[in-house]
Order: sequence, then structure tokens, then C-alpha cells
Amino acid sequence: GAVVSQHPSRVICKSGTSVKIECRSLDFQATTMFWYRQFPKQSLMLMATSNEGSKATYEQGVEKDKFLINHASLTLSTLTVTSAHPEDSSFYICSASPRVMSNQPQHFGDGTRLSIL
Amino acid sequence: QQPVQSPQAVILREGEDAVINCSSSKALYSVHWYRQKHGEAPVFLMILLKGGEQKGHEKISASFNEKKQQSSLYLTASQLSYSGTYFCGTEGGTSYGKLTFGQGTILTVHP
Repeated sequence: GAVVSQHPSRVICKSGTSVKIECRSLDFQATTMFWYRQFPKQSLMLMATSNEGSKATYEQGVEKDKFLINHASLTLSTLTVTSAHPEDSSFYICSASPRVMSNQPQHFGDGTRLSIL
Repeated sequence: QQPVQSPQAVILREGEDAVINCSSSKALYSVHWYRQKHGEAPVFLMILLKGGEQKGHEKISASFNEKKQQSSLYLTASQLSYSGTYFCGTEGGTSYGKLTFGQGTILTVHP
């Protein structure tokens, strides 16, 4: 149980393109999902907390107009990287949990490798 | 504030043991441990809650010292499949429900 699906797995596109990444909880409902970014050989850095039915909460230093998050339903959150540039190239990973509690693990999607040319 | 992991890297031969430490400067509710293979998403290993508990998962176990805000991951009789980067994720302070990950420990197991 607790499967999280993320699509697409790989995106290569030109600078200036907007890219949408989907994160779905397949067998549970998630009122909260998390979006992370990971640069090569670095840690997972939380970008934002996605809340169903309300605005996302962004971490300090993350541009909310650059990284648009929409949590339209209890099983789907999307991250749109608007007007992407080479410095946005990274590994983007989402996670979710049936309940946001200390004793609940976060289940990660397979990640999306974004390469901006 | 990011927890600090040590060591940064470990090289082992199959069958050897290793300990990975995770230390935080803030009071913690929980510590989560994950393993990530190259190019893949992190895989959940275990959670430790405040209360100083110790948990085990096959030959991988962990402890959490609430007073010192430290957690340790113990890998015994390592296998080739244990290779990867280990991350601790801490929950504490004002970040209830959110995890802050350490910088990772690269574990390499050789035959």
C-alpha cells in the first residue's frame, strides 16, 4: 500500500518552456503532499508543502510564481516550473502520506529528472 | 536547520558493520531514515519517535536519543544491496509534519 506515482520521469526541453509534473497517490488520499528538489550529490531540499483545497506553503527562498503548485484533489498535486531555465535543471521528487503524523512515513514518487537546454 | 550526518562516506566489504549518525540542534518529534540508490527516489527504512526507542528492520536497526537529539542507524553484516546514500529526515521545532533531511551518507559495499 501507500503508492505514489509521479510523471513524467524525464523531461528535456528548451529554455523558456513551462513544465508540469504530476504527483498522484494511487491507493490513499493525501490532504498534504510535499515537493522536493535534489541537485546532484546533494540532499533533498523541501520546496513547498501542497495542501488540498488551499494555497501551497513555500519554503524560504523558493519563488512561488516560478514554481506553481496546484493540489486540486485528494490524490493529485501538480508542480509547474514556469519559464524554466538551465539553473532549474534538477531532480524533482514528491512525497505523500495517508496521514501527516510523526509516526507515518513519507512515500516518495519516482522523481522527475528535468533538464533545461 | 539541516541535521548533520556522519560520516560522509563509508566503504565496506560484504559482511562488515557500519554506523551512521544523525545529529540535530533542535528538539525533535521524530527521525526518519531513508536509503536512495543512484537516480532513484528514496526508500523508507524506519521511523523513530521521541521516547528513546530503538527499532529494527532485518539487519538494519536504529536508535534515537531524545536528550541528545541524535539518531544512529546500524547496519550489520552488510550486503551488496545496502549500497546507496542514506538520509535521515528530522521533524521538530515548528516544522510539524515536514522533514528536514541531512546531507546524506554514501555507503559502498564491495564483494
